[in-house]
This record gives sequence, structure tokens and C-alpha cells, in this order.
Amino acid sequence: GESVGLHLPTLSVQEGDNSIINCAYSNSASDYFIWYKQESGKGPQFIIDIRSNMDKRQGQRVTVLLNKTVKHLSLQIAATQPGDSAVYFCAVRNYGGATNKLIFGTGTLLAVQP
Amino acid sequence: DTAVSQTPKYLVTQMGNDKSIKCEQNLGHDTMYWYKQDSKKFLKIMFSYNNKELIINETVPNRFSPKSPDKAHLNLHINSLELGDSAVYFCASTDGLARPYNEQFFGPGTRLTVL
Repeated sequence: GESVGLHLPTLSVQEGDNSIINCAYSNSASDYFIWYKQESGKGPQFIIDIRSNMDKRQGQRVTVLLNKTVKHLSLQIAATQPGDSAVYFCAVRNYGGATNKLIFGTGTLLAVQP
Repeated sequence: DTAVSQTPKYLVTQMGNDKSIKCEQNLGHDTMYWYKQDSKKFLKIMFSYNNKELIINETVPNRFSPKSPDKAHLNLHINSLELGDSAVYFCASTDGLARPYNEQFFGPGTRLTVL
């Protein structure tokens, strides 16, 4: 079965530093990967996604890197701000079946120190 | 202009009661989901409907029964509530099976507390 995990459950960074949140997945058939941000008391919010035919994708202050060889995914946040404090989830999807089911990782709490 | 909405936001009830949570999306999506998030923030899918048809049914006690009256609504009814049902329940929606590379949009969550 699929399992998705994170290397660090909690990450504390100084404001202005870069943050890197990691995620490992187990199923080599995974073809779509998403990072979500969940602020306290709210639902997960889409940040960035990447398909399996890519190894890097950039957004505004965020970059997702995909290493299919070692089944590893990372989210990099540049110049981390207090508003980035949240729980971050990676989610993977294995396409080919009749469903669009996401398997979520356990989450990393990012704490930004002012 | 809320995309995915849930009611109620908080639900406190006694063990053994029956309760419902409602979800509505105005995004025109045809696939909706229910997730359960436990106290450790772990998110697990429970059900998914596509155009009112059940397409995902994870290992969930049959006390949980989803109902989709139309593709914009997905409700969750829970019978005989137990202490372990206490969690935050999230509804989500996406643009359907024909467009697989689309993220799911989540509602604000319903915090269920069973006493």
C-alpha cells in the first residue's frame, strides 16, 4: 500500500531564512504530488503541485523538488515570513484507477520565529 | 464567494446520538470528498462521490453514511456517535475524474466533539 511520511514533524526557522520541508513516499506509481498549507482552525489550502514528469516547479517564494529515484519530495519556502507558520502536508496520487484519491503525509509544523 | 462550505463549524454532542454535517461547493465540481483529521493532524479520506455516485469508500464504520443529493452537496450522517469519532471533518471537491491533475479544494472543517 501507499505510505507517505515526513522526515521532520516540527521545523522552527527564523524570519527571513529559507525553509525546507521534506516528504517521502513509497509507491513508484505515484504520478501527481501536491503541497498543502493548513493554518490553525482552517482547511488545507493548495500551495503548489508537480507531476511525475517534472523534477522541479517554482511558484511565488515556493519551489517543489521531486526526486523519483529515491521517492522524495521537498517544499522550499524562500524568505520565510510569520504568515508562513502553519502545518504543511504533502499528498500523492496514483492515477490509473477510477478514482482521484490523495494520500496525505503526516504533516510538518512550521514555526517561524520573528 | 465561499467555494466549499460546511455546517456546522462546531458540533458538540453526547455519545450515542445521531448527527449530520453538511457540505456545499459552488465551484461547479463534480467530485466531492469527506476526510477525517485526528488530533495528530493526520488526514485520511473516508468517502468520495462523483456526480452523486459513491466512488471511494474507505474502511469506515457503517455508522457513517454519506449522501449526495446533487453534485454540489455531500452530507455526512453519523449514527450512534462514539468518543473516537471526535475529530475535525473536512469536505473537499475537485474537478472530476476527467481532469486528474487538479488539486482538491477543502472546506473550513467541522470540529466534532463527542462527550
